[in-house]
Parts: sequence; structure tokens; C-alpha cells
Amino acid sequence: QKEVEQNSGPLSVPEGAIASLNCTYSDRGSQSFFWYRQYSGKSPELIMFIYSNGDKEDGRFTAQLNKASQYVSLLIRDSQPSDSATYLCAVGSGGYNKLIFGAGTRLAVHP
Amino acid sequence: DVKVTQSSRYLVKRTGEKVFLECVQDMDHENMFWYRQDPGLGLRLIYFSYDVKMKEKGDIPEGYSVSREKKERFSLILESASTNQTSMYLCASSLSGPGASPLHFGNGTRLTVT
Repeated sequence: QKEVEQNSGPLSVPEGAIASLNCTYSDRGSQSFFWYRQYSGKSPELIMFIYSNGDKEDGRFTAQLNKASQYVSLLIRDSQPSDSATYLCAVGSGGYNKLIFGAGTRLAVHP
Repeated sequence: DVKVTQSSRYLVKRTGEKVFLECVQDMDHENMFWYRQDPGLGLRLIYFSYDVKMKEKGDIPEGYSVSREKKERFSLILESASTNQTSMYLCASSLSGPGASPLHFGNGTRLTVT
């Protein structure tokens, strides 16, 4: 079992829809959770981070964390073609001394 | 804004060459990292440094070494490049440890070893 798992996609959604990206992790002691966006040929850039159970909203993005079920998700409302990218989930564990990335989910938003 | 600058965007080297990848950050971050990214494998940590002259092995350190003589600069060295080191290399910095604060990435260096 991989430590951080994401569906590789592509996840295809129409413009204006909600895109839901999911990530599961194996270390129950994980404390921090990050979502990065990576456009093709570019480096990852941080979208959001979340430390506590529940939802965290920032504009069109909402991160949801459920530690009991060991999953974290990213919702993108009103998806735009410019949101088409690979989304990387990263999980911090080992007392904040380790960060493990998932392989990423490719999102395609079509007009 | 944090700026992390990698010296080369593209590099082509021959098998057996010694290769230096340079990274500089301008935000006085203590922590710096080198990752490689390969399709289907995600980002894998090669080395990180939490202070000048301090380094820690990541998940895949074999075939690599690092140098951090100044706080702002972190270099990755391929002692004898091999074709399986063809990859995208990403440098990053952060205020705190790997899992404690967000990473700020450079633009990446795409290395091809022939």
C-alpha cells in the first residue's frame, strides 16, 4: 500500500462544475496536509494546507480533512479551463519531519 | 514572495560526468530540499538540509550528494551521472521542517543523461 494514494485520472469535468479530488494516506499519526497544483512543464505551487479535521475554504477551493477515515480532499467550485493541471496531495508525518507526496491527479476542465 | 531560483532549466550531460545543480533562495529559509519527479512516481526526496553545512538523506540519496556552504544556496551533485538519473529535479525551501510548513519550489531543472 502506498503511503499517499491519489487516483491518477484524468478527472474530466465540464466548465462551471465542482471538481472533487481525493487523497488517502496510511500513517494515522499524520498532522499536516497540503494541496499543490502543477501545470504541465511547471513546478508545483501551493494551493492550500489544512491541519484540523473539517473544512477549510479559500475562494473557489475547499480542503476537507477526515483523520478518522484517513482521507483529505480538495473541492474546486465553478471549475475553469485554467484549473486544468495535476493536483498533488502531500502529507506531513513523523512529527513534521517527513512529507510524502502522492503521484497526483490530472484534472481536465473542458468548456 | 519567496523566490527559489535554479540555475539551469535544461541540462544534457553524458554518462559518467559530474553534474552540479544549483539552487538559491532569497527568503532566509532554514530548510532546503532536492526532489526528483518522474512520471507515475511523484516527487521523491533526495536530500534536505535544515541548516548550513547540515544535511539529511531523503528517500533516494544513492548516486547523489549535496553541499550547503551558505544559507541561501543548496547544491545537488551527481558524482557520476547515469541514464537512470534522467529526470526533472526540483529544489524547494521552507520556513520549517518538511511537514510543518509549505514548500516553495524553484522552476525545475530537466536533466537528460545520454
